[in-house]
Amino acid sequence: DAMVIQNPRYQVTQFGKPVTLSCSQTLNHNVMYWYQQKSSQAPKLLFHYYDKDFNNEADTPDNFQSRRPNTSFCFLDIRSPGLGDAAMYLCATSKWGGNTEAFFGQGTRLTVV
Amino acid sequence: DQQVKQNSPSLSVQEGRISILNCDYTNSMFDYFLWYKKYPAEGPTFLISISSIKDKNEDGRFTVFLNKSAKHLSLHIVPSQPGDSAVYFCAASAGTGNQFYFGTGTSLTVIP
Repeated sequence: DAMVIQNPRYQVTQFGKPVTLSCSQTLNHNVMYWYQQKSSQAPKLLFHYYDKDFNNEADTPDNFQSRRPNTSFCFLDIRSPGLGDAAMYLCATSKWGGNTEAFFGQGTRLTVV
Repeated sequence: DQQVKQNSPSLSVQEGRISILNCDYTNSMFDYFLWYKKYPAEGPTFLISISSIKDKNEDGRFTVFLNKSAKHLSLHIVPSQPGDSAVYFCAASAGTGNQFYFGTGTSLTVIP
């Protein structure tokens, strides 16, 4: 089945130790998104790619970086995780962007110790 | 500033009755609206969407109503089933952009 897959589902990292979360899609969608969601809050967009064009939200900390080496894969790099970065990280894809639905992966729950 | 608001954090409904979840938005540029359902420890699942050129869209037990003048939309679930118990997120986008803006969610509990 075509889908959005995130790995790993659960990630524990040490304070300050770089960590990478991955997302892959078989939908052949043009747009890939990374959202951060903390408990009882709305998912917060960190950045998105439209094909190879990277779009960073103005309030996304520099600590967060992303790579999209090809259509299918997108990575979220957290260079120096702090305790405040513990959250659910959601990857989503959309065929054409804002006027077509977005499909989400299962999410990666990041714990910082 | 939260551009999409879901003011009811939780809702309880008896099985078989109607569930009505509400959402308000502030940005008049939003022209596409979506509802997502989320179970614990999973990603949101797309439920239903509506374009601003419509005021109603129906899919099985789910109907979304859009009131553009009030900047308000609602999701009706009829009849409600225990399996509908989840957190429901409202989202919106403006056709000129790629971003989706989400509300904080409403936790629906359907009581058997």
